Amino acid sequence: AQKITQTQPGMFVQEKEAVTLDCTYDTSDPSYGLFWYKQPSSGEMIFLIYQGSYDQQNATEGRYSLNFQKARKSANLVISASQLGDSAMYFCAMREGVGTGGSYIPTFGRGTSLIVHP
Amino acid sequence: EAQVTQNPRYLITVTGKKLTVTCSQNMNHEYMSWYRQDPGLGLRQIYYSMNVEVTDKGDVPEGYKVSRKEKRNFPLILESPSPNQTSLYFCASSLKSLAGGSTDTQYFGPGTRLTVL
Repeated sequence: AQKITQTQPGMFVQEKEAVTLDCTYDTSDPSYGLFWYKQPSSGEMIFLIYQGSYDQQNATEGRYSLNFQKARKSANLVISASQLGDSAMYFCAMREGVGTGGSYIPTFGRGTSLIVHP
Repeated sequence: EAQVTQNPRYLITVTGKKLTVTCSQNMNHEYMSWYRQDPGLGLRQIYYSMNVEVTDKGDVPEGYKVSRKEKRNFPLILESPSPNQTSLYFCASSLKSLAGGSTDTQYFGPGTRLTVL
């Protein structure tokens, strides 16, 4: 079974609007971390935002916020005021055993392609 | 500048010709890993290493070897490449942080695009 599920292969959004990219995860480990990465057409992987399973508040980084719903095991990325430069692939990832010495290598979802149009 | 470097960035080769993709990080990270990225499949782990001389298989290790003789380097070796290994490869490293948090973030190399004919 997939540990990270991104159900939206592609998304379109108009410039300056907000967009939500979905991510659900599956783990029985109480201690885990969730990451979002951006991959523009140039190919590099850019870290965007992190949410720990014990964090009380949703993570925010500038225009990025993470809508963390622990009971539903979802960690959706919200991009506010979309810009043309936001067009890219977005990957959700999870690392289990955070702070307890588990495997330190995150598992990735299949990604969502976001296109921002003028 | 903190970074992960990979070489080569692009490689076209033929079936059966052994090749090595190098990966080096200058952040003194304990953890290093290799992923391959294929359309519609996201990033899949090939191998990872938790420290020098400690390596383990990821989800798709067949056809690959790795070594970790030094902390900074983690080369990926394809002894006999085949066309199904045509892919985009990423090396990544991260800190061994028992505190958790965003310090666990993986830093990625720029990627190596491999074509096996």
